[in-house]
Order: sequence, then C-alpha cells, then structure tokens
Amino acid sequence: AQSVTQLDSQVPVFEEAPVELRCNYSSSVSVYLFWYVQYPNQGLQLLLKYLSGSTLVKGINGFEAEFNKSQTSFHLRKPSVHISDTAEYFCAAQPPGNTPLVFGKGTRLSVIA
Amino acid sequence: GAGVSQSPSNKVTEKGKDVELRCDPISGHTALYWYRQRLGQGLEFLIYFQGNSAPDKSGLPSDRFSAERTGESVSTLTIQRTQQEDSAVYLCASSLLAGGTEQFFGPGTRLTVL
Repeated sequence: AQSVTQLDSQVPVFEEAPVELRCNYSSSVSVYLFWYVQYPNQGLQLLLKYLSGSTLVKGINGFEAEFNKSQTSFHLRKPSVHISDTAEYFCAAQPPGNTPLVFGKGTRLSVIA
Repeated sequence: GAGVSQSPSNKVTEKGKDVELRCDPISGHTALYWYRQRLGQGLEFLIYFQGNSAPDKSGLPSDRFSAERTGESVSTLTIQRTQQEDSAVYLCASSLLAGGTEQFFGPGTRLTVL
C-alpha cells in the first residue's frame, strides 16, 4: 500500500534562513507527488507537483522540491523563509489513474523573527 | 469563479446525533473527494466520486458514514449516530480530471462531537 512519511512534525527556523522539509514515499509503482500548504484557518493550497520530467520542480512563493527516485524522497526547500511562510505543509502521493491522494501527517513550519 | 465551498464551517453536535456536511465543487470539475483531518494527523481519504461512475467508498471508516453526489454538482457527507472519535475537520476537494491534476480544497467543516 502507498504511504507517505514526513520525518519532522515541527520545524522552527529563523526568518531569512533556509529550510528543508523532508518527505519520503513508498510505492511499488510510479507516483505523482505533491506539496500542499495550509495556512491557519484556511484550506489546502497546492505549492508544487511532480508528474514526470525534470526532477527539480519549482512552485509558488519561492519553494522548490527535488524528486529522488533512488531515495524515494521529495523534499521541499526554500533558500530564505519569511514570517508569512508559517503554516502546515503536507506531502502527498498519487498513483497514476483515478485515485485519491495519500497524505503525510504534515510538518508545522514556524518562522521566528 | 468561486472555489470549493463547504458548509457549515463549524458544527457542534451531541454524541448519537446525525450530521450532514455539504460541499459545492468548482463548476465543471468531474472528480470530488472527501477527506478527514483529525488533530495531529494527515488527511485520510474517505470517498471519491468521478463523473457517473460508482463512487470509491474504500476509505469510509464505518457504515455510519455515507455520501451522495448528484451528477457533477453538490455532495453531502452524512455521519449517523456520531461518536466522539468522529471529531475532525472534514475537507472536500474537486478536480477537473483525476490522476495528477490539482485537487482544489475547500476550507473544511470542523465537526465537534460532545
């Protein structure tokens, strides 16, 4: 069965510092990979997605992620965070076809001034 | 040009009561998903509708949960005889096509069972 693991439940980081949020997936088949962000009291918003092609994917708000098939990872990075990046971040996987997303448990990013 | 909407935004109910949650997807989106987000957990898939096909109910946790969708429009999720463990945020999402396209999420309904 498909599973997604987010290794850190909480990540505190100072403003303007770089950040990496880790995500690993397990699947015996190819998958599509996603990162969603949930700001306080709001719905989920797509940050970026990997379907195929280039393994480095750029998303909104300066975030990027790299698909690593050998390590089954899809870590999210930003070189310099802002206070406004404080939110919950969810990694998700979807096997090709008409299937729902499988989510990790989320990582709470707290940016400290 | 509205996004996915859900109602109510908050629902407090007593154990044993039935509740009905509503989702209005983006117009034209053929796929509609229900997920549940319990405190400190990721999102759990509940049920999925795709056009006129039979829904995928494989994520429903018990027979107290059911959902309906009329065509490609509104969906309702019903929880009968609510239990305290049903307390969660229930999220609805819709997408134009399944399989790799973006799922657009509503703001959710926060259900509290006392």
